[in-house]
Order: sequence, then C-alpha cells, then structure tokens
Amino acid sequence: AQTVTQSQPEMSVQEAETVTLSCTYDTSESNYYLFWYKQPPSRQMILVIRQEAYKQQNATENRFSVNFQKAAKSFSLKISDSQLGDTAMYFCAFMEGGTSGSRLTFGEGTQLTVNP
Amino acid sequence: ETGVTQTPRHLVMGMTNKKSLKCEQHLGHNAMYWYKQSAKKPLELMFVYNFKEQTENNSVPSRFSPECPNSSHLFLHLHTLQPEDSALYLCASSQEGGTRGNTIYFGEGSWLTVV
Repeated sequence: AQTVTQSQPEMSVQEAETVTLSCTYDTSESNYYLFWYKQPPSRQMILVIRQEAYKQQNATENRFSVNFQKAAKSFSLKISDSQLGDTAMYFCAFMEGGTSGSRLTFGEGTQLTVNP
Repeated sequence: ETGVTQTPRHLVMGMTNKKSLKCEQHLGHNAMYWYKQSAKKPLELMFVYNFKEQTENNSVPSRFSPECPNSSHLFLHLHTLQPEDSALYLCASSQEGGTRGNTIYFGEGSWLTVV
C-alpha cells in the first residue's frame, strides 16, 4: 500500500516571501502521479499542481512549482511571492498509474498561514 | 463555481435519523467518488463509481449506502449513524479514459454532525 507523509503540520510565511512544503511517499510502483491540493477555509479541495512520475521536468503553475526527486520519493511544493489568499491547508496526494480508475492517497496536510 | 455541487452544505442529524447527501457534477465526467475527512486524519476514500457502477467500497460500514443513478449524480444515504461519523464528506469526479492519472475534482463538501 502507498503512504504519503507530510512532516510539517503547520507553517507560516510573510507575504511576498517564498515557502516550501515537504512531502514524501512510499510506493513500489514505477508509474504514478503526484498532486498538491489546497483546502482554504471554504473547505473545497482545489488542485494546485500535478506531476507525472515519468516526467523528469518539474511541474510549474505560475507561482507554484514542485521539486520532484523520484529516487528519494520526495515531492515538495514551493510557493513564490506568497499571497494572503494562499492561506490554506495543503495536501500532498499520490495516485497509481495503470488502468481502471483513479484513487488518491492523501497525506495529513500542512496548514500554511501567510502573514501580512 | 467548482463543477461539483454538494447539498446540503451542513447537516445535523440524530443517531436514529435517515438522511441523504447529494452530489451533482457538471463536468461531463464518468467517475464519481465519496471521501470522508475527519479531524486530524487524512482523507479517506469511501466509494468509487465508474459509469454508474460501484467499483470500490473501501470497507465502509453498511450504515452508509451510496447510490449513483447516472454519471452526473451521486448520493450517500445515511442511517443510524454514530457520533464518530461526524465529518466533512467530500464528493469528487473525474474523467476515466482507460488509464489512471486523471485529475480528480472536488466539491465543497457536506459537514455532517451526528448528535
């Protein structure tokens, strides 16, 4: 079974600064996908970024980028130029590759607070 | 507007009540999911439906009964729940095309309190 570990229950950052959230995972699969979701106080789970394990290039989405280290099974999220609206719980998630449907395994989350 | 709509957003029910949570997706997806989010625990997958057929029941107690009448609608029927079932229930959908890796989109959740 896959496991996802987020070792930082809480983090804070000043507005406009950069912050990195950590995630490690354990799997014997070679084909898989990794995601970061954001859950603001509204509680909706919003996709932030996605990475395919077979791609060596790190995914980026505007101010969000990842550092994907496949050998180390590490998938950290970097948020640049932090904004107050980035305050949320951030979840790292794993999905196996292959066929027959998508299943997400989530980490326990990191509560990020952006301070003015 | 998320594309996945859940009602009600908040529900308080007694342990002997019967209630239902409703989910509707407007994204044209063919797979729908129920997840449970409890305090201090990771999200847990409960049920998966592909093309209206249940393809996964993650050892969920029978007091939770899902129903998927079509690819756009998903219900979770609740009966004789326990206080420990109080949680945020998240509905989600994705477009399955034969391989995994499809992004899953979530609704805003239904807060359930069992008293």
